[in-house]
Amino acid sequence: QSVLTQPPSASGTPGQRVTISCSGSSSNIGANAVDWYQQLPGTAPKLLIYSDNQRPSGVPDRFSGSKSGTSALLAISGLQSEDEADYHCAAWDDSLNGHVAFGGGTKLTVL
Amino acid sequence: EVQLVESGGGLVQPGGSLRLSCAASGFTFSSYWMHWVRQAPGKGLVWVSCIHSDGTKTKYADSVKGRFTISRDNAKNTLYLQMNSLRVEDTAMYYCTRSSSGTYWLWGQGALVTVSS
Repeated sequence: QSVLTQPPSASGTPGQRVTISCSGSSSNIGANAVDWYQQLPGTAPKLLIYSDNQRPSGVPDRFSGSKSGTSALLAISGLQSEDEADYHCAAWDDSLNGHVAFGGGTKLTVL
Repeated sequence: EVQLVESGGGLVQPGGSLRLSCAASGFTFSSYWMHWVRQAPGKGLVWVSCIHSDGTKTKYADSVKGRFTISRDNAKNTLYLQMNSLRVEDTAMYYCTRSSSGTYWLWGQGALVTVSS
């Protein structure tokens, strides 16, 4: 049982906009920044969004993040086939001896 | 090139031990907190342990406390995870990661640990 809650799956067609939610509590998302990681099939996770809505260098602006209260949202616009991957949200949790809590991951399928 | 490369994974029987290593290159290893994060087959990411840049502070998830030991050798730019009393539920891909301000900016390719009789 993950501390942060994500839908197990999401899907969209090429060119579509899709969103993935991440729900937490006042000790994690409500108090700290949210990061998103993209994990392509058979590979290690890669940082996609940090500090709620910042993109690391090299990440396309099709990817965006937002946060409201104890929930966060990852949006992917202009969906492409290469976006098919698992997406994980994460946030520091003040109640967990000071470490990061993850969501269970969302598998995005491009139809 | 900035990278992390894990090694030491493998198949071990329940109750056995294994030591993972993570070789860092391309950055000042001694300046960063380092973490181990694991992912059981088909499951999400789970934080395991972390260590301060100078090795003086360590933290562990409750599920591994007393069985796993994290350490580092800054002279060798290497992070370690000594895993004892391994259980079937420890089966996972283990990733070493470099963190800054709570964000995992850099990940290794992972080391697969399988605990089975």
